[in-house]
Amino acid sequence: DIQMTQSPSTLSASVGDRVTITCRASQSISSWLAWYQQKPGKAPKLLIYKASSLESGVPSRFSGSGSGTEFTLTISSLQPDDFATYYCQQYNSYPWAFGQGTKVEIK
Amino acid sequence: EVQLVESGGGLVQPGGSLRLSCAASGFTVSSNYMSWVRQAPGKGLEWVSVIYSGGSTYYADSVKGRFTISRDNSKNTLYLQMNSLRAEDTAVYYCARAGPVVVVTAHPHWYFDLWGRGTLVTVSS
Repeated sequence: DIQMTQSPSTLSASVGDRVTITCRASQSISSWLAWYQQKPGKAPKLLIYKASSLESGVPSRFSGSGSGTEFTLTISSLQPDDFATYYCQQYNSYPWAFGQGTKVEIK
Repeated sequence: EVQLVESGGGLVQPGGSLRLSCAASGFTVSSNYMSWVRQAPGKGLEWVSVIYSGGSTYYADSVKGRFTISRDNSKNTLYLQMNSLRAEDTAVYYCARAGPVVVVTAHPHWYFDLWGRGTLVTVSS
């Protein structure tokens, strides 16, 4: 099974900061990677698919990059609505696997 | 409105059974890959099961042989039958729709593009 590892686990940042979250796969997953945002008590929301494709309706301050085993999610200018937990997910091979999550907190 | 609404969660004793439902609106369940994903309290996300539009089903090893995914096309509803429940099955269970499926060398690739709000299952005596 493919394991997904995110870093950091927690990130403290201020409004306006540029934020980068890293996700590593235990083996190559090509570009079959998605990113989700989850707020407390809510369902996850799709942000990015195929490593770098922005889901319709998602603000352009979110971007994704990478291929193979290393991927990043970048928020170019953190907004108050962006404080949440972010998960990466591989969809290269079953079982689909998620990273453990990165919580973005207010500094 | 395109949405998914789960129901059927609750408190059940270890070894017991429960059936979760996920009612879809705004799209057709049988035309899509549909999945269940769970999240234990304070923990991350774990994929549980998928049913293809063609009817094939796949499961995580942690639930294989105990859980069954199915759908009722006439009700446009997805189900998860959970038997032999354990304490470690305690979680919020989300149903989720797959986005466009891309098939490469017979392997399907898909992500979750629509999620329900979840239903809580608690397994405890």
